[in-house]
Amino acid sequence: DTAVSQTPKYLVTQMGNDKSIKCEQNLGHDTMYWYKQDSKKFLKIMFSYNNKELIINETVPNRFSPKSPDKAHLNLHINSLELGDSAVYFCASSQMTGGVAQYFGPGTRLLVL
Amino acid sequence: QKEVEQDPGPLSVPEGAIVSLNCTYSNSAFQYFMWYRQYSRKGPELLMYTYSSGNKEDGRFTAQVDKSSKYISLFIRDSQPSDSATYLCAMNPLTGANSKLTFGKGITLSVRP
Repeated sequence: DTAVSQTPKYLVTQMGNDKSIKCEQNLGHDTMYWYKQDSKKFLKIMFSYNNKELIINETVPNRFSPKSPDKAHLNLHINSLELGDSAVYFCASSQMTGGVAQYFGPGTRLLVL
Repeated sequence: QKEVEQDPGPLSVPEGAIVSLNCTYSNSAFQYFMWYRQYSRKGPELLMYTYSSGNKEDGRFTAQVDKSSKYISLFIRDSQPSDSATYLCAMNPLTGANSKLTFGKGITLSVRP
């Protein structure tokens, strides 16, 4: 039973396209996150949501728009994809905001050509 | 100076070796110190965390925090090939609204049989 799941696992697309990544957690956690991990493995927070409310927005370009329809789901929509958006995007959840024990999904590998 | 610096690696050791992984940080507000392990093509998973200064032991793993030196370490005793992964340190000022994890760049460890 997967705790944090993401779809799709792989995404290959052309520059300028729009794409979405979906995330679901079945842990009953209140807080969900999006992280970006670059090619050098550096993991950086992008957004966090607590019970559907945006808590943290880490100066991410407006082309990235998260949406949380309920506390178990957090989606990420990316408009006008650029080469620099190529990375692995991880969804995570924790019991409360900023919780030390964050549970990560398997990641979505995005390649923009 | 980056908020969290981690030895760049990679690190290769023979099976059975004692491994020492280290991070330094500049933000004296950090109170929670975590080590996450990330296997290849997987999401990070929490290995251990400590609050404030001191040591914490869990099986073959020992986490150490020296707040006066702003230095944290993870020791792995009797290292096994299954320990081969990327290890990321992470820190948090405290839990609650707007708190977030700041990660080090990660170090890739390879344990040779």
